[in-house]
Amino acid sequence: GIQVEQSPPDLILQEGANSTLRCNFSDSVNNLQWFHQNPWGQLINLFYIPSGTKQNGRLSATTVATERYSLLYISSSQTTDSGVYFCAVESGGTSYGKLTFGQGTILTVHP
Amino acid sequence: EAGVAQSPRYKIIEKRQSVAFWCNPISGHATLYWYQQILGQGPKLLIQFQNNGVVDDSQLPKDRFSAERLKGVDSTLKIQPAKLEDSAVYLCASSQAFMNTEAFFGQGTRLTVV
Repeated sequence: GIQVEQSPPDLILQEGANSTLRCNFSDSVNNLQWFHQNPWGQLINLFYIPSGTKQNGRLSATTVATERYSLLYISSSQTTDSGVYFCAVESGGTSYGKLTFGQGTILTVHP
Repeated sequence: EAGVAQSPRYKIIEKRQSVAFWCNPISGHATLYWYQQILGQGPKLLIQFQNNGVVDDSQLPKDRFSAERLKGVDSTLKIQPAKLEDSAVYLCASSQAFMNTEAFFGQGTRLTVV
């Protein structure tokens, strides 16, 4: 099946700093989503971005499907941004309709 | 619009006991998923329903896990008997269509087997 690798595994920032999280995948994808898992375990949808660029406030994401990677940018980070960020992809064939998750990036933002 | 609802939020049981989790997807969403998330890992798909039919249950340990979605809306996931390694968060998700659409997750049920 498709492999999803996220980097870095851990990231520690001071409030106000910017960061870039990366997601590499091993095959073509039909769907790519970024999630934030908060300390209570809830997976919050950030972006549905199989290709192109999207922005939502301080967050933006870019997926270059032909090169099999996606980037999540967080600007002016806040302590509430802390948590685990997951990239999840849906590929074709027998994987239609199923999300495969990466291992996540653990982000800690200090005040 | 209400999100995906799950209950209970937390459950502690002894090994060899049984447990059931409930999920109510977003209204109108035909596809429902159950994922298992072990501590420190990303969620992994257990079973996928399209309306009330099973699309994929290849990763479901069928000797102890079962799931149903009788009327194409609510779903239950059962474990019987539970093992220590079943300790995890069980996440339910739903999407409007079978593929190429955004999936939305519930808050999850944290299961601890002692």
